[in-house]
Amino acid sequence: AQKITQTQPGMFVQEKEAVTLDCTYDTSDQSYGLFWYKQPSSGEMIFLIYQGSYDEQNATEGRYSLNFQKARKSANLVISASQLGDSAMYFCALEISYDKVIFGPGTSLSVIP
Amino acid sequence: GAVVSQHPSWVICKSGTSVKIECRSLDFQATTMFWYRQFPKQSLMLMATSNEGSKATYEQGVEKDKFLINHASLTLSTLTVTSAHPEDSSFYICSARVPGNYEQYFGPGTRLTVT
Repeated sequence: AQKITQTQPGMFVQEKEAVTLDCTYDTSDQSYGLFWYKQPSSGEMIFLIYQGSYDEQNATEGRYSLNFQKARKSANLVISASQLGDSAMYFCALEISYDKVIFGPGTSLSVIP
Repeated sequence: GAVVSQHPSWVICKSGTSVKIECRSLDFQATTMFWYRQFPKQSLMLMATSNEGSKATYEQGVEKDKFLINHASLTLSTLTVTSAHPEDSSFYICSARVPGNYEQYFGPGTRLTVT
């Protein structure tokens, strides 16, 4: 069965430091996609980054990068130079078919000034 | 980028009544829309996938007679919570997919409180 695991319920990081949010997944599909979303307290879901299972290079989007280790089934999100506005819930998600995306339990990130 | 709106942003209703939530794709046509439910401090749970012009596909454990989904046009999907109960109080979020694009665009969510 497909599953997403985020083992860090909460994380703290000092402003301007880098932080890594962990995500592991389980799927028997050969073709799949991995997403990271940010959800601030307002509730909106903000797309951060996407990695396709056949992409050879790790995805990067500005301060966000995805450390994709396919053999380990891990897709960790790295946020560089943390900002106060990065404080939010972060969800890792696995696309298991065109019509279905499942979300991990989330990690609450708090950036300390 | 693509914009998805939801209306209302919040609603309070009495137990036993029905409430309708609208999800619109504002600047693109969405053949597929998704409805999620999120309880406080929990993750998003997919309720159903809504395809234009056809019946919605519900996830296991979601009562299709209680959560009615209608995707009547390429820009509008509606979720009706029928005979609402306090345990239906939750944050309901829709999303839509741009054809040919991997990304789902999320609406701002609707907070439902059933008293």
